[in-house]
Amino acid sequence: NAGVTQTPKFRVLKTGQSMTLLCAQDMNHEYMYWYRQDPGMGLRLIHYSVGEGTTAKGEVPDGYNVSRLKKQNFLLGLESAAPSQTSVYFCASSSSGGSNQPQHFGDGTRLSIL
Amino acid sequence: GENVEQHPSTLSVQEGDSAVIKCTYSDSASNYFPWYKQELGKRPQLIIDIRSNVGEKKDQRIAVTLNKTAKHFSLHITETQPEDSAVYFCAATLPAGNNRLAFGKGNQVVVIP
Repeated sequence: NAGVTQTPKFRVLKTGQSMTLLCAQDMNHEYMYWYRQDPGMGLRLIHYSVGEGTTAKGEVPDGYNVSRLKKQNFLLGLESAAPSQTSVYFCASSSSGGSNQPQHFGDGTRLSIL
Repeated sequence: GENVEQHPSTLSVQEGDSAVIKCTYSDSASNYFPWYKQELGKRPQLIIDIRSNVGEKKDQRIAVTLNKTAKHFSLHITETQPEDSAVYFCAATLPAGNNRLAFGKGNQVVVIP
């Protein structure tokens, strides 16, 4: 049982380049989330999804887009990367069953933009 | 929206002593409060959580207490060990639902052997 898997683990981009981060979960979770983690800032929610085909904005959505074409996958896209998007990106998923289920995190993607 | 604050930002304890980290939250409608441990370069991992209908929960050396009136909850680690050294994040649910969480900025706990 792999849980939440993120690819790639590391990436270096030049300003203006685009890329997509992939998150896959094998726990049949309805909810999925993308966070960024910066030093001293904790985890901030970028976008989230409550089910296949649905997405919504989180706390810091500007400069990012997401898609949830399949229940198990949640993609985070950077159309035109900026140095301010240098960060560690974490994906998480949770069950929708019952009240307030814990979020399970992937190992993260460390992204540097030059 | 929900605002979660953690204190202190850094905590150093001698091995074997107890560590206590406190979090405050702003929205009285929040009803779920998890604690995550993050070792350097690793993913955040859930270590304990508590729901608003419970005042205290224990799991071996770890416990969480919740004071809904004062809107704060605390993580207690007893008999600390070097492997407890990590950053600990508290979180609280956003009342809008969908299991969304507002995270604190984290506490660095250093256990001195």
